[in-house]
Amino acid sequence: RKEVEQDPGPFNVPEGATVAFNCTYSNSASQSFFWYRQDCRKEPKLLMSVYSSGNEDGRFTAQLNRASQYISLLIRDSKLSDSATYLCVVNEYGNKLVFGAGTILRVKS
Amino acid sequence: NAGVTQTPKFRVLKTGQSMTLLCAQDMNHEYMYWYRQDPGMGLRLIHYSVGEGTTAKGEVPDGYNVSRLKKQNFLLGLESAAPSQTSVYFCAGSQQVNYGYTFGSGTRLTVV
Repeated sequence: RKEVEQDPGPFNVPEGATVAFNCTYSNSASQSFFWYRQDCRKEPKLLMSVYSSGNEDGRFTAQLNRASQYISLLIRDSKLSDSATYLCVVNEYGNKLVFGAGTILRVKS
Repeated sequence: NAGVTQTPKFRVLKTGQSMTLLCAQDMNHEYMYWYRQDPGMGLRLIHYSVGEGTTAKGEVPDGYNVSRLKKQNFLLGLESAAPSQTSVYFCAGSQQVNYGYTFGSGTRLTVV
């Protein structure tokens, strides 16, 4: 079983749509959680951390369910510029992060 | 304000050749990492360092060596390149894992 699993997509949505991505992780002792964004042929960039109480940054909302070992990312009012691959990332132990394979989002006009 | 810088950005090697990838950071990161990214497989950790003079193996260390003689530099070496090492290599740094990583822009390596 993969340590961090994501639906690879692609998710094809129109501009203005709301889209949600899910991610599950295998290690119940995981402590830190993140969503990264990766544009084509570019490096991953930190989108937001995910906190136990849930957190929001503009159009982006992240939630964590420790009991189900589940992380989500909600994007409201999708923009063309949101098209990218979204990586779910978990700190399982020590100082190492484990990356999911990513979910592809394509926003179309 | 360079951040995390990788050199070279592109390279083509012949099977059996050797090369070194350089990662340099000016963010005072204690921790540094080398990942490879292949289609459909996500980022996989090759080696990492928790401080100057330290290195440790990650998930896929075979065929690679690393050194961190200075805090700001983390080198990844391929002693005898193989086609299976064709990939995109990313270096990352972190002051503390709870803050996430900062990545370099990547090195696209092709081994023919």
